[in-house]
Amino acid sequence: DAGVTQSPTHLIKTRGQQVTLRCSPKSGHDTVSWYQQALGQGPQFIFQYYEEEERQRGNFPDRFSGHQFPNYSSELNVNALLLGDSALYLCASSIPTGGQPYEQYFGPGTRLTVT
Amino acid sequence: QQPVQSPQAVILREGEDAVINCSSSKALYSVHWYRQKHGEAPVFLMILLKGGEQKGHDKISASFNEKKQQSSLYLTASQLSYSGTYFCGTEIADSWGKLQFGSGTQVVVTP
Repeated sequence: DAGVTQSPTHLIKTRGQQVTLRCSPKSGHDTVSWYQQALGQGPQFIFQYYEEEERQRGNFPDRFSGHQFPNYSSELNVNALLLGDSALYLCASSIPTGGQPYEQYFGPGTRLTVT
Repeated sequence: QQPVQSPQAVILREGEDAVINCSSSKALYSVHWYRQKHGEAPVFLMILLKGGEQKGHDKISASFNEKKQQSSLYLTASQLSYSGTYFCGTEIADSWGKLQFGSGTQVVVTP
């Protein structure tokens, strides 16, 4: 059973460019959350997608947008990249369980470097 | 608002015990604990719901004090495999799935 997969593994972009990161959830999972993890810090919640809609959003600017496809996979798009966007981007998938807190399974992440 | 974790780092010898604390200024619905090894994804350890329950995962257990809005993770008889950075993720009611993580506690277990 494949876990959460993310692509690409590493990415180098120039300031001002745009980037798209991809995530395939664990089999049977329908909810995808995205996190940004700066070096030496805990993951910061960007947003969560369920049924192809953004359900929750963290304190990130509109430059960060996402999408979820009918097969539950998801994309994270970042426009007008800044040096401060350099980080590990983690995707986590889960199955909401009727109003109870649920475990999130994390993928290996995409390391984005903005120069 | 992010929870506050303490200590920032701890060094243990195999077999020793340690406690990691996670405090929030907000009323919490749940606390999630994860361990992340260098260069790897965070791995889920356990979820604690409000109500003060205690859970265990091998010789790692945790408690949740609802009155103090604080959770503690207990590493008992530590093993080399326990090394890594431990994060608590907190969740408030009506924001399920939106985890706010602390800055982590780095644990190093030496032989």
